[in-house]
Amino acid sequence: AQRVTQPEKLLSVFKGAPVELKCNYSYSGSPELFWYVQYSRQRLQLLLRHISRESIKGFTADLNKGETSFHLKKPFAQEEDSAMYYCALRSNDYKLSFGAGTTVTVRA
Amino acid sequence: DVKVTQSSRYLVKRTGEKVFLECVQDMDHENMFWYRQDPGLGLRLIYFSYDVKMKEKGDIPEGYSVSREKKERFSLILESASTNQTSMYLCASRGLLGGRYEQYFGPGTRLTVT
Repeated sequence: AQRVTQPEKLLSVFKGAPVELKCNYSYSGSPELFWYVQYSRQRLQLLLRHISRESIKGFTADLNKGETSFHLKKPFAQEEDSAMYYCALRSNDYKLSFGAGTTVTVRA
Repeated sequence: DVKVTQSSRYLVKRTGEKVFLECVQDMDHENMFWYRQDPGLGLRLIYFSYDVKMKEKGDIPEGYSVSREKKERFSLILESASTNQTSMYLCASRGLLGGRYEQYFGPGTRLTVT
């Protein structure tokens, strides 16, 4: 069975500082990994996926199959990055398994 | 622009009541999902439907049922609400974006069972 672990419930950083959200997974097959974000009073939305290898809003995430990790990083955090972030794994065409989420607070 | 709407933002029900949560999407998506979102537990899949009248149990289906009579509408039913079903409920539909499938979420329904 697949499992997604986000070890940090809360993360607080100062504006302009780097931020890294950790995500580890367990899955026997070939996973597809995602990061979702939920800003205050907004709906959950896709931030990025590992297959696209893109940078969105300054965030990047690299899939490390050896360490079974998909950490989310941003070199210079902004106040508008304050949100709840979920790591998710897709193991078949329909279902996503989510981690417990990390609440990020960026302080001025 | 994909729209996934949920019938209520806030709902308060009493223990033992039958509760209906409605979700509607306007993009002709085949797949729809119901999750519950709890602090420290993330999102957990309750049920999903890959087509009209088709449904499959997710990870936590106990105490819930679903109905998908029309493609655009997916209903979550709590046959006899209990206090441990107090939660935020998120509906999602799945469709193509930029050549890849993506799940689109509704705004959520915060259900309180007293």
